[in-house]
Amino acid sequence: GNSVTQMEGPVTLSEEAFLTINCTYTATGYPSLFWYVQYPGEGLQLLLKATKADDKGSNKGFEATYRKETTSFHLEKGSVQVSDSAVYFCALRPSSNTGKLIFGQGTTLQVKP
Amino acid sequence: DSGVTQTPKHLITATGQRVTLRCSPRSGDLSVYWYQQSLDQGLQFLIQYYNGEERAKGNILERFSAQQFPDLHSELNLSSLELGDSALYFCASSEELGKESPLHFGNGTRLTVT
Repeated sequence: GNSVTQMEGPVTLSEEAFLTINCTYTATGYPSLFWYVQYPGEGLQLLLKATKADDKGSNKGFEATYRKETTSFHLEKGSVQVSDSAVYFCALRPSSNTGKLIFGQGTTLQVKP
Repeated sequence: DSGVTQTPKHLITATGQRVTLRCSPRSGDLSVYWYQQSLDQGLQFLIQYYNGEERAKGNILERFSAQQFPDLHSELNLSSLELGDSALYFCASSEELGKESPLHFGNGTRLTVT
């Protein structure tokens, strides 16, 4: 079946530190991969996406590369800010035509000044 | 602002009661999805509609039902509520069913069952 596994949180970093949040997936076929972010008290916002192998999604300084050989889609940012504190969700959308997103369990990021 | 509107934002009700959650998708989006977010279960897919027809079903309880109306808004009905139904319920919409089309989420309805 299709599933997503994220590294357990919380992840606590100092401002300007380098961020990596690991995400691996299991899927049949060729899914699309997404990162969503949820700020406190808000809904999920699309952060970035990649739709095929070796694609790199990027937005607001965040990047993730679709690695089919390692079935991974790790989220990275070179220098985090306090305002990046949130919960980050990795998700996949299967190549079948149901359309639903399958989410990882979420990783809480806390950035301290 | 994602363009997906959910009402109400908060709902407090008692066990055994019935509630209705409403969702208006982004303009032009034909597909609507419902998710439940709880602390111990994470984000669980409940059900999906596409242009008024049920498209996919997830871990939705028999006490829960949903529909999508001709104007494309959707309602999620929760009945015989239990304490364990307390959660954040999200609606999302997408333009297409294809895997490249992202889902856009509303801000959710927080349901508290007392």
